[in-house]
Amino acid sequence: AQKITQTQPGMFVQEKEAVTLDCTYDTSDPSYGLFWYKQPSSGEMIFLIYQGSYDQQNATEGRYSLNFQKARKSANLVISASQLGDSAMYFCAMRETNTDKLIFGTGTRLQVFP
Amino acid sequence: DGGITQSPKYLFRKEGQNVTLSCEQNLNHDAMYWYRQDPGQGLRLIYYSQIVNDFQKGDIAEGYSVSREKKESFPLTVTSAQKNPTAFYLCASSPTSGLTYEQYFGPGTRLTVT
Repeated sequence: AQKITQTQPGMFVQEKEAVTLDCTYDTSDPSYGLFWYKQPSSGEMIFLIYQGSYDQQNATEGRYSLNFQKARKSANLVISASQLGDSAMYFCAMRETNTDKLIFGTGTRLQVFP
Repeated sequence: DGGITQSPKYLFRKEGQNVTLSCEQNLNHDAMYWYRQDPGQGLRLIYYSQIVNDFQKGDIAEGYSVSREKKESFPLTVTSAQKNPTAFYLCASSPTSGLTYEQYFGPGTRLTVT
């Protein structure tokens, strides 16, 4: 069965420092997509970054990068130069070929302090 | 501005009543989705639709119903058969089915049933 695991319920980081949020996944499908979403306290889900299973390079979007290690089935999100506005829940999700389902992890609550 | 609207933001109902949550998008997306989020949990898929007049059950469809009569609209009805309906409900859409397309989310509706 397909599964996303986020083992860090909460993380703290000081402003301007980098932080890594962990995500491991399990699937038997050779083709899949991995997504990270941010959920601030308002509740809306904000798309951050995407990584395809066949992508050779790690995805980057501004201060966000994805450390994709296919053999280890991990897709960790790295946030560089943390800002106070980065405080939120972060969800890792996976989408498989031939389905439209996004399977979400349980999330990591990130708190950035001054 | 293009986007997804969900109304209302907060909804209160008595146990035993059916309630319909609205979801409208003006992004011209083919696919639409409904998710449920419980405290401390990730999102779970209730129903999704890839085309007008067609929809499929997600992982937790029992006690819910949907319709897709128009491309722009995908209302969700929480029936009295849903044993624990109190939750945060998120609607999403994507341009088409496929791995690389992220899902865009609405602001959510927080339903409380007493």
